[in-house]
Amino acid sequence: NAGVTQTPKFQVLKTGQSMTLQCAQDMNHNSMYWYRQDPGMGLRLIYYSASEGTTDKGEVPNGYNVSRLNKREFSLRLESAAPSQTSVYFCASSVGRGQYEQYFGPGTRLTVT
Amino acid sequence: SQQGEEDPQALSIQEGENATMNCSYKTSINNLQWYRQNSGRGLVHLILIRSNEREKHSGRLRVTLDTSKKSSSLLITASRAADTASYFCATRGGGVNDKIIFGKGTRLHILP
Repeated sequence: NAGVTQTPKFQVLKTGQSMTLQCAQDMNHNSMYWYRQDPGMGLRLIYYSASEGTTDKGEVPNGYNVSRLNKREFSLRLESAAPSQTSVYFCASSVGRGQYEQYFGPGTRLTVT
Repeated sequence: SQQGEEDPQALSIQEGENATMNCSYKTSINNLQWYRQNSGRGLVHLILIRSNEREKHSGRLRVTLDTSKKSSSLLITASRAADTASYFCATRGGGVNDKIIFGKGTRLHILP
């Protein structure tokens, strides 16, 4: 099993450009999450999907959109990138919400110039 | 808003010594989890302790939870170079819609 995979690993965007970060899991998990990690800030939840067909905002959703394409895939879209979105983005999945451990992907390092 | 706060922010110890990290939180929780992150990698789940548990062990890891003090500690015994990493606590509140919130982490460095 590959676990949680993310693409791309690295990306550089110019301000105003758009892009989609892809995430897939092969563990048949119901819940999936997108986090960003900034120096000294820990992980902050952007959006999550408790189950296929549902998405909800997390702590820092502004400037992002998500799509739960199917049970396996959960994508994060930046419509108009800003320098403040320079960060490392992690996708995670879990069997269900809250009380279960989360499995993380390797991350996408995004720089917006 | 951050729920868990780890202490210390950074810790350096000699290989073979024990390492202790603490996590404090503000509101009631359903469970508390500890994760490890090696440099440039994703987080890896270490251990979960529920609010009605006081202590759990997993290999060289020992986690305690004191809900009256709203705090938890992670003890790594007989540290190894491979334990060098950042360690995060994550708390989940008691409501059905509550999400897991991560702290800012403790950076542990094991000296040879």
